[in-house]
Amino acid sequence: DAGITQSPRHKVTETGTPVTLRCHQTENHRYMYWYRQDPGHGLRLIHYSYGVKDTDKGEVSDGYSVSRSKTEDFLLTLESATSSQTSVYFCAISRRTGGTLENTEAFFGQGTRLTVV
Amino acid sequence: AQSVTQPDIHITVSEGASLELRCNYSYGATPYLFWYVQSPGQGLQLLLKYFSGDTLVQGIKGFEAEFKRSQSSFNLRKPSVHWSDAAEYFCAVGAGRTSGTYKYIFGTGTRLKVLA
Repeated sequence: DAGITQSPRHKVTETGTPVTLRCHQTENHRYMYWYRQDPGHGLRLIHYSYGVKDTDKGEVSDGYSVSRSKTEDFLLTLESATSSQTSVYFCAISRRTGGTLENTEAFFGQGTRLTVV
Repeated sequence: AQSVTQPDIHITVSEGASLELRCNYSYGATPYLFWYVQSPGQGLQLLLKYFSGDTLVQGIKGFEAEFKRSQSSFNLRKPSVHWSDAAEYFCAVGAGRTSGTYKYIFGTGTRLKVLA
């Protein structure tokens, strides 16, 4: 268990409101990711972080921002929620599982189901 | 750009039959490749991964996958499917390791249904 906690696990919010999702890890991993999962689209990368205050956009970053002020927390903010952002959001870390730097894998949190009404 | 294609959205097999799920990738360098499984309402679990060496890799739950560079493929196989294998399967490629901005690119998934 990579010790990833997502909060909240479920949220319903109204269109136009800001929403922040939190991902917390306990193992000091450098890389953290936010994905959204939608039927027919698989998992799409929103933003990712490769260190404190080092973040970059993924393929579906419009309408989202992130912050990482400390290693253990990676926050995803929907600046003004829209119905198209109704989705399941997964946080992930890249965890080394072997003796080499190459031997890593993505390890996922349990997800946050967000509904925008 | 890096990408992963899973051509089959849905696959139905009978319990005990063999299974092959297809995955094609686009990546300029030697890829790191992964297969994940997601049971209904659950998170994602790693089945197996390929970094280098033997192109046939073994994973958990009796799954294996073969890396074929010439075909840019990393197909997942299982000789005999169990009802508990019904789930959604995702292929992924790890990209950007040399730039220090490593990320995982996923395919759209294949949903497996198992008939009793």
